Amino acid sequence: EADIYQTPRYLVIGTGKKITLECSQTMGHDKMYWYQQDPGMELHLIHYSYGVNSTEKGDLSSESTVSRIRTEHFPLTLESARPSHTSQYLCASSDGTRAWEKLFFGSGTQLSVL
Amino acid sequence: ILNVEQSPQSLHVQEGDSTNFTCSFPSSNFYALHWYRWETAKSPEALFVMTLNGDEKKKGRISATLNTKEGYSYLYIKGSQPEDSATYLCASCTGKLIFGQGTTLQVKP
Repeated sequence: EADIYQTPRYLVIGTGKKITLECSQTMGHDKMYWYQQDPGMELHLIHYSYGVNSTEKGDLSSESTVSRIRTEHFPLTLESARPSHTSQYLCASSDGTRAWEKLFFGSGTQLSVL
Repeated sequence: ILNVEQSPQSLHVQEGDSTNFTCSFPSSNFYALHWYRWETAKSPEALFVMTLNGDEKKKGRISATLNTKEGYSYLYIKGSQPEDSATYLCASCTGKLIFGQGTTLQVKP
């Protein structure tokens, strides 16, 4: 069973609020990812990290930011939430050096911005 | 094919039926094909990672095949059970993972 945790599971918040979605893994994986999924759509990569102090933007443009100060922790922050940010956010991690290693996912955060 | 496409989008079967889904992906710059199972209120869980043309993988009643030359993979479920109800995602790795929209399977008892 994967040891990757996301909190909160659900978040309903008003426009303009600052929010941080937490993601932690206890597997010692160097690679971590944030995906965004709108209903009925594909998972889209918005941020990734290949190690401490390494962060990159993914394929889908996002107003969110991430940080990787510790191997196990990869939080995502929205400085000012808007209704367009309403979506499901999934955190994942992977091990190994090969590009195609399988992902271990958290259970996701369903964000609703009113 | 520029994107990863899955069909059908959804499927309803009776318990005991066998079923299969398709994942189509770009065949150029191919590294690997992933299949994930995503049950409601749970995390997506990796089923298979396949890299070689002709690969076949099996896990219990679920199996998958891979054709990298024509860019498709099939996922088969033999004797579907209600606990197989989930969304099945495929993802093609061309250096980065590109996901399909998923096939949602409902197995009726």
